[in-house]
Formats: sequence, C-alpha cells, structure tokens
Amino acid sequence: QVQLVQSEAEVKKPGASVKVSCKASGYTFTDHYLYWVRQAPGQGLQWMGWINVQNGDTRYAEKFQGRVAMTRDTSVTTGYLEMSGLRADDTAVYFCARALWKSGSYYFDNWGQGTLVTVSS
Amino acid sequence: DIQMTQSPSSLSAFVGDRVTIACQTSQDIKKNLNWYQQKPGKAPKVLIYEASNLETGVPSRFSGSGSGTDFTLTISGLQPEDFATYYCQQFDDLPITFGQGTRLNLK
Repeated sequence: QVQLVQSEAEVKKPGASVKVSCKASGYTFTDHYLYWVRQAPGQGLQWMGWINVQNGDTRYAEKFQGRVAMTRDTSVTTGYLEMSGLRADDTAVYFCARALWKSGSYYFDNWGQGTLVTVSS
Repeated sequence: DIQMTQSPSSLSAFVGDRVTIACQTSQDIKKNLNWYQQKPGKAPKVLIYEASNLETGVPSRFSGSGSGTDFTLTISGLQPEDFATYYCQQFDDLPITFGQGTRLNLK
C-alpha cells in the first residue's frame, strides 16, 4: 500500500535551518508530484509548494520564496523540504502529500504522518 | 489569492444528525474543490474531490455539491467517528488555498 513516512520531530533555534524527509513506498515514486503543507499549532492548513518528482521542477508559495527548497532523491524514493532562516512562527507540523490526478482534477490522496518543527531559543 | 470562507467555524450535533458545512470562494473555481477530514494529531484525509466525487473507501453518508463559488459538504447520519475538523481546498489556481476549517463536536 502507498505510504509516506516522514522524519522525526526537530527543535531548532531561530535563524537555523531544518530539513524534513518524506520516504515514499508502495507506488512508482516518479509518477506523482509531492506537495508540502504546514499546520501551525491549533491553526489551519497552509500550502507551501510542490515538486515534480520526475524532473525536479518546483513551485513555491510566494510566502516561502527564498526560504524553502524542495528536492528529491529518486534512488531512495524520498522527498525533502529544507527551510532556512527559521522564526518562532515557523513552529508547525509539516506534512508531505502525494497528488493524485483523476479526470482533470487533483487532490492529496496520501499524506505523511507529519513532522513537528519547533523553533525556540 | 483565492480566499476560502467556511461556515460555520464550529458546530455541535448528535449521532444520527444530518449536518451541512458550507465553503464559499472569492472567485469562480468551477468544480475545482476538495474536502478533507482531519482528526487530532493526524494528517488530513480526502473525502470528496472535484466538488462531488466520493473518494474510494469513504462512506456514502458523505456527499458534496456545488460549483462556481458556493459549495457544501453534507454528512447524513453522523457516526461517532465523524467528529473531527473539516477543510475545503481549492485547486483551480495557485496558490492552493484551504478554508479555515469547521470543527464538528459531539453534542
């Protein structure tokens, strides 16, 4: 079955960087885009960007431009989210999600379990 | 950016009730809207895609309707496992945006 397994929780100081991984299994990794979505404590969902796993193309939400990088390593079927210049308001659970295209629409049909990133001095 | 407004923000209901959650968008998105359910400490789970299509494995008590700027998610015959937070999400244009969520509580 399709699984997305993310890396463990991280605690970082303001100004530091973090790299979250998302290991995919149960499907052909290069057939689906990977999206990243975050959720601050008690808040809603915020789209961060996507990566075309086949060719590595990326698109980031304007809010995160210049601070995030989404990459992938097809040899180990893993996607990565790296974020720099961390601030306290980046404290959130970060999710990866697989996009499924169906009949001209797409949605997130499988999600990682989430990785809590805490930014605190 | 396309703004998403869900209503209500929270509601309380009994097991067996029928509830409706509304989602309004700031511009016409045709039928490019999905609905997700999220339980505490878990990732969201898709229920409905493209406004009205039931995802495989999701119980038929969930249904979605709407197009343009007004959409609804209906749960007919609430079950104990349905008490959760629900989000609408548009994919008509980037950035992808979500509603602020509707928390469904057990009365």
